[in-house]
Amino acid sequence: SQELEQSPQSLIVQEGKNLTINCTSSKTLYGLYWYKQKYGEGLIFLMMLQKGGEEKSHEKITAKLDEKKQQSSLHITASQPSHAGIYLCGAAHFGNEKLTFGTGTRLTIIP
Amino acid sequence: SAVISQKPSRDICQRGTSLTIQCQVDSQVTMMFWYRQQPGQSLTLIATANQGSEATYESGFVIDKFPISRPNLTFSTLTVSNMSPEDSSIYLCSVALQGYNQPQHFGDGTRLSIL
Repeated sequence: SQELEQSPQSLIVQEGKNLTINCTSSKTLYGLYWYKQKYGEGLIFLMMLQKGGEEKSHEKITAKLDEKKQQSSLHITASQPSHAGIYLCGAAHFGNEKLTFGTGTRLTIIP
Repeated sequence: SAVISQKPSRDICQRGTSLTIQCQVDSQVTMMFWYRQQPGQSLTLIATANQGSEATYESGFVIDKFPISRPNLTFSTLTVSNMSPEDSSIYLCSVALQGYNQPQHFGDGTRLSIL
């Protein structure tokens, strides 16, 4: 089955600073999804990447998928307290709609 | 996207009892899923809820423990049976909208604690 490793596991960043979260797959990714989860709540869909080399941005968050489609990064520019939470990457399986999720990155923003 | 309502949002239950979690979507969807998130862990897929047929369970999950109903295209329930403290988790339902490679959208989850 697909295995996804995220790094770092946790991150403490001063408000206004940039940060990057990585998601690495043991297999070629058919599709890669980024979600954000506020503590103890549901997941909020951020972005979906499918093509090698693809990059998408929404507000201050940019996600990229490498050419080999085995690694994705999520970059936040000028972080704000509202960015705090747990970021999860999810990998799509070829031929069905199931998702396998990464280990998660807990982001804390300090003043 | 879809609006997904999950009930209850949280509950505290006695061991040996069962709890049914409801998931209601504001539009008809083909695929509905149930996940478990144990404390400090990522999400693990329990099963795919199929409309009009039995759910498809992932390895390590069985129907007797997690019976699922899917009576129509907008509603599903997950029952956690004969609960033990190890079942204390957040349970989440998600839906995939029709169309190629649509992202899954999640409910707010049910936080379950077993005493």
